[in-house]
Amino acid sequence: EIVLTQSPATLSLSPGERATLSCRASQSVRSFLAWYQQKPGQAPRLLIYDASNRAPGIPARFSGSGSGTDFTLTISSLEPEDFAVYFCQQRGSWHTFGQGTKLEIK
Amino acid sequence: QVQLQESGPGLVKPSQTLSLTCTVSGGFLNSGAYYWTWIRQHPGKGLEWIGYYIYSSGSTYYNPSLKSRVSISIDTSNNQFFLKLSSVTAADTAVYFCARVDLYYDHWGQGPLVTASS
Repeated sequence: EIVLTQSPATLSLSPGERATLSCRASQSVRSFLAWYQQKPGQAPRLLIYDASNRAPGIPARFSGSGSGTDFTLTISSLEPEDFAVYFCQQRGSWHTFGQGTKLEIK
Repeated sequence: QVQLQESGPGLVKPSQTLSLTCTVSGGFLNSGAYYWTWIRQHPGKGLEWIGYYIYSSGSTYYNPSLKSRVSISIDTSNNQFFLKLSSVTAADTAVYFCARVDLYYDHWGQGPLVTASS
């Protein structure tokens, strides 16, 4: 099983700041990695697929990068609605998810 | 717009079988090469893939850690797919989501909490 490790577990930032979230895979998943946003009481929402492609309707402030084992989600300038939990997910071998990064208001 | 909606008991007794239904609207289970999927989320925790059904191949794939207890099936006449998880314990208490996977999870149900307790 491919294990995805996200860091940090919690990220405290202010609106307008830049957020950088990390996801590391225990073995290469090539570019088969996605990022999701989840708000309390809601299902996750697909943000980024295949490491760097924005899903339809996702604002340009969200971007993804990386390949192999190291991936990054960047939110260029935080809006109030961006404070949520973010998960990465790989489809290189079965499907596994990271444990999540909680992005909270500082 | 495709929508998915889970239904089923919110409380299951230990050792019994958890049964959930996912009803799909705005699209058809027998179209495309989608993976019709179940995922769960333990309270305050991350997401765990349970398994999926691929209509185009008629194949099902299960998380190895749950494989001995899980069954996913489909009813195209009613546009529904199903999850059965046998011999539940308190560790199976979680929010259970159904989802459509088009390479990635692009449509989700709301996800009811299912509690395994006597």
